[in-house]
Amino acid sequence: EAGVTQFPSHSVIEKGQTVTLRCDPISGHDNLYWYRRVMGKEIKFLLHFVKESKQDESGMPNNRFLAERTGGTYSTLKVQPAELEDSGVYFCASSQDRRRTNSNTGELFFGEGSRLTVL
Amino acid sequence: GEDVEQSLFLSVREGDSSVINCTYTDSSSTYLYWYKQEPGAGLQLLTYIFSNMDMKQDQRLTVLLNKKDKHLSLRIADTQTGDSAIYFCAESNPPGNTDKLIFGTGTRLQVFP
Repeated sequence: EAGVTQFPSHSVIEKGQTVTLRCDPISGHDNLYWYRRVMGKEIKFLLHFVKESKQDESGMPNNRFLAERTGGTYSTLKVQPAELEDSGVYFCASSQDRRRTNSNTGELFFGEGSRLTVL
Repeated sequence: GEDVEQSLFLSVREGDSSVINCTYTDSSSTYLYWYKQEPGAGLQLLTYIFSNMDMKQDQRLTVLLNKKDKHLSLRIADTQTGDSAIYFCAESNPPGNTDKLIFGTGTRLQVFP
């Protein structure tokens, strides 16, 4: 079974440009999350989708970031226009609906991350 | 407040035990996790502990939880070179909601022969 896949693995852009990151969750996982690690600091929550709906977007830094999950399958995270402080590694994760797994631990399965470098 | 802290680096000799420490601030957390990130890979859940437990053991891994001091530790027995990775401590927030995790900065474990 394929894990969470992210594309691109690394993107280098100039300040002011636009970048779109893509995440394909594990098939059948309703929950999809975006996290970000900036400059070797802690990994911070950005937002959470349940299917195509945004369940929690409290971690989105500002309105330059737009996340979508049309159809409840893959998700995109667009940064427009990119700023220097947006550089970091963007992780996507997915998990099953806990009601199906009868589990409260809700293990998150992470992708390898997309490294964004803004020059 | 939401803050999870870890030391940045740990270096141990192969065969020795490693202890990675973490402090958290949300006393009402219900789940606490340890994730491992190997070079070029995503985060992988290693183990977790429920906040009503003091200890959990899983093969070479032992998790200790001191709720009074809000201190979590991960002990790796007989550390191997394959254990070299970044280890992240995380807590669920709000309590019981495992969808949103608060991570620490990660501890880079280096195992030398």
